[in-house]
Amino acid sequence: GDSVTQMEGPVTLSEEAFLTINCTYTATGYPSLFWYVQYPGEGLQLLLKATKADDKGSNKGFEATYRKETTSFHLEKGSVQVSDSAVYFCALSTEAGTALIFGKGTTLSVSS
Amino acid sequence: NAGVTQTPKFQVLKTGQSMTLQCAQDMNHEYMSWYRQDPGMGLRLIHYSVGAGITDQGEVPNGYNVSRSTTEDFPLRLLSAAPSQTSVYFCASSWGTSYNSPLHFGNGTRLTVT
Repeated sequence: GDSVTQMEGPVTLSEEAFLTINCTYTATGYPSLFWYVQYPGEGLQLLLKATKADDKGSNKGFEATYRKETTSFHLEKGSVQVSDSAVYFCALSTEAGTALIFGKGTTLSVSS
Repeated sequence: NAGVTQTPKFQVLKTGQSMTLQCAQDMNHEYMSWYRQDPGMGLRLIHYSVGAGITDQGEVPNGYNVSRSTTEDFPLRLLSAAPSQTSVYFCASSWGTSYNSPLHFGNGTRLTVT
């Protein structure tokens, strides 16, 4: 079935370091891909999305490119801040679109 | 600008008790859904609704009931709570399908069943 696999955490970085969180997926057809972020004590919120191959989603300095050939959607940021500390979820939705399928989440901790 | 509102924020139940988790949205979204979040498991879909009067099961529906009598509200009922239902529950809504519209999440209900 459809699934999302993302790198295990926690990821611990110093401020201004480069961030990569890997995400790969298995799905039939052409899914939409998403990154959601969850700050402590809050619900998830959409960080960025891509709906077709080679699309690049970007927001708040974060980027991810939809790579159909490698079935990947890795999240990157060039210079992380303490305020980026959160749990990041990769997710997909198939064309049937009844629900999101989430990865297990990756905890990012950034220290100053 | 409330968005998706969930109540209560915290709840402790004894095994066998019943309760309803409330979810309301003020964005006139047709699609609503309930997820549970467990450590190391990500979020898993419990039930969803594509409009008032229409509900369907997700990945982990056992032990939960839902109804959708209005566009705004989508309560989740636990009929007889079990320790395996200890989790954080999130309600979400969207204007369209999850394929092309972002989900808006509430802040969650942390449920403990003893």
